[in-house]
Amino acid sequence: DIQMTQSPSSLSASVGDTITITCRASQSISSSLNWYQQKPGKAPNLLIYAASTLHSGVPSRFSGSGSGTDFTLTISSLQAEDFATYYCHQYYIRPWTFGQGTKVEI
Amino acid sequence: QVQLVESGGGVVQPGRSLRLSCAASGFTFRTNAMHWFRQAPGKGLEWLTFISYDGNHKYFADSVKGRFTISRDNSKDTLYLHMDTMKLEDTAVYYCARDGVVFGVADYWGQGTLVSVSS
Repeated sequence: DIQMTQSPSSLSASVGDTITITCRASQSISSSLNWYQQKPGKAPNLLIYAASTLHSGVPSRFSGSGSGTDFTLTISSLQAEDFATYYCHQYYIRPWTFGQGTKVEI
Repeated sequence: QVQLVESGGGVVQPGRSLRLSCAASGFTFRTNAMHWFRQAPGKGLEWLTFISYDGNHKYFADSVKGRFTISRDNSKDTLYLHMDTMKLEDTAVYYCARDGVVFGVADYWGQGTLVSVSS
């Protein structure tokens, strides 16, 4: 199975900050990577697919980059509603696997 | 808008069975593949199983292969997850999700249904 490793596991930030979350795959997954946002007690929401394509309705302050094994999610000008847990997810090879999550806290 | 509503969760004893349902609306259900995922309390996300739009192709995670079955009824716009021989470690919130924009991308998720396996 492909292992997905996110860093950091958690981070503290303030409204207006720019933050970056990293996701590394244990083998190349081309650009077959999603980023999800999850708030407590809620279902995950798709932010980015194919490593860098913004899902419909997602604010442009979210961006993704990378290919192969190394990927990043950047949130520019952090807003109050962005404090949540973020997961990367590869869909290159089954079983589809997730990173362990990055909790973004105030 | 796309809406997915899971139901059927609850408390079940180890070794028993349970069936979850996922009612879809707001899109043409019969043209989309579907997934089930789960999230154990305080843990991360886990993909469980996939079914193609016509039900002819199904894939499973090793953790549930042979115990869980996925099916769909396109005439009722409903997805199912039948869980047999349940274990304590199956305790989780179970989510159905639509396979959307790109194959393998779960673009819309239901709100989840909690399954607790306990004696």
